Amino acid sequence: DAGVIQSPRHEVTEMGQEVTLRCKPISGHNSLFWYRQTMMRGLELLIYFNNNVPIDDSGMPEDRFSAKMPNASFSTLKIQPSEPRDSAVYFCASSPTSGGANEQFFGPGTRLTVL
Amino acid sequence: AQSVTQPDIHITVSEGASLELRCNYSYGATPYLFWYVQSPGQGLQLLLKYFSGDTLVQGIKGFEAEFKRSQSSFNLRKPSVHWSDAAEYFCAVGSLYKYIFGTGTRLKVLA
Repeated sequence: DAGVIQSPRHEVTEMGQEVTLRCKPISGHNSLFWYRQTMMRGLELLIYFNNNVPIDDSGMPEDRFSAKMPNASFSTLKIQPSEPRDSAVYFCASSPTSGGANEQFFGPGTRLTVL
Repeated sequence: AQSVTQPDIHITVSEGASLELRCNYSYGATPYLFWYVQSPGQGLQLLLKYFSGDTLVQGIKGFEAEFKRSQSSFNLRKPSVHWSDAAEYFCAVGSLYKYIFGTGTRLKVLA
């Protein structure tokens, strides 16, 4: 089992550029989460998908952020345009089923630096 | 409001010493409770979870946690810490479809 796969692992970009982060959940999992981790705010849930449908995007900070899940094996988080305050580690996690009782399996994260 | 509090931001212990990391939660119903560990540069890994039943839960890597409803606590313990336990530890409450995470406790282990 390959686990949750995220790419790239590190991304350095300049302010104003578009950034796309990618996630491949564990096969068979129907719930997918995007988190952002910073020193100041800790772990924040950005968006939650169930069966490829966005269920809760209340954590998406601004319209500059968008997320898609075109199929069960792929999701993207896009930031356009990027700003220095977007610098953080972004995690993708998947879970076998929906529900707060279920274990979430986290990817290794993408460390984003916006200059 | 639902919340999770980890009052200790940093904890330092000597290798071989015992460890207790504190977690308090606020939740209206019977909570689903989790402890995750994050090693440097890694994602989060589940240590243990509590849903119901025995209030003392055993996890991986020799960790255990005790659910105390009267104190709204779910503290993580280990009798003898190893240098490889140095990491950040997160307590979480499972709510509907998502987690509410605490702010984390960073553990440093002295040789």
